[in-house]
Amino acid sequence: DAMVIQNPRYQVTQFGKPVTLSCSQTLNHNVMYWYQQKSSQAPKLLFHYYDKDFNNEADTPDNFQSRRPNTSFCFLDIRSPGLGDAAMYLCATSLGGVGQPQHFGDGTRLSIL
Amino acid sequence: QQQVKQSPQSLIVQKGGISIINCAYENTAFDYFPWYQQFPGKGPALLIAIRPDVSEKKEGRFTISFNKSAKQFSLHIMDSQPGDSATYFCAASRGGGSNYKLTFGKGTLLTVNP
Repeated sequence: DAMVIQNPRYQVTQFGKPVTLSCSQTLNHNVMYWYQQKSSQAPKLLFHYYDKDFNNEADTPDNFQSRRPNTSFCFLDIRSPGLGDAAMYLCATSLGGVGQPQHFGDGTRLSIL
Repeated sequence: QQQVKQSPQSLIVQKGGISIINCAYENTAFDYFPWYQQFPGKGPALLIAIRPDVSEKKEGRFTISFNKSAKQFSLHIMDSQPGDSATYFCAASRGGGSNYKLTFGKGTLLTVNP
């Protein structure tokens, strides 16, 4: 029944070791978003895709990249994770029209050793 | 610059009471105002949303009140239950082009005591 699925739910990586988080959706939505959420904070948008068009937030570090090979899947790559990148990473989707809600997955909790 | 200001940061309510969370926005181009509920270890879930052409929307125990002239909107939870204990985020977005991004408030941690 899950519509936005994130894998894995928990990811542990070493300082500086590249890591990839994945998101898939069964909603066939045009827009896919990646957010970073730290403890007791609001989600912070990193970037989003509208179909294949990539939109990066101005303050997203170069260390973060994303791929969307098809409508259903989107990946978040962290090239050289630092301790400050430990957070919950949330994927969301929407149809992209005015007033269309964003549907979130349950996130991947990333820990950096 | 925070474009959506949310208060209070935390709220404690007794079971059966009314929980009220307030948000104020600055950008008059915003045209969609959702509220999200987030439980620990889960992603935010859409609770209720409103467009600026109406002043109130009710869904069950949850009501959004919207004041366009004051650029404020609020969430009221009637008959609050312990199961409502969660973090609530207000948000705002504007349509147009492909830029359907949400601007979130900082969140309110609601605790409903039994």
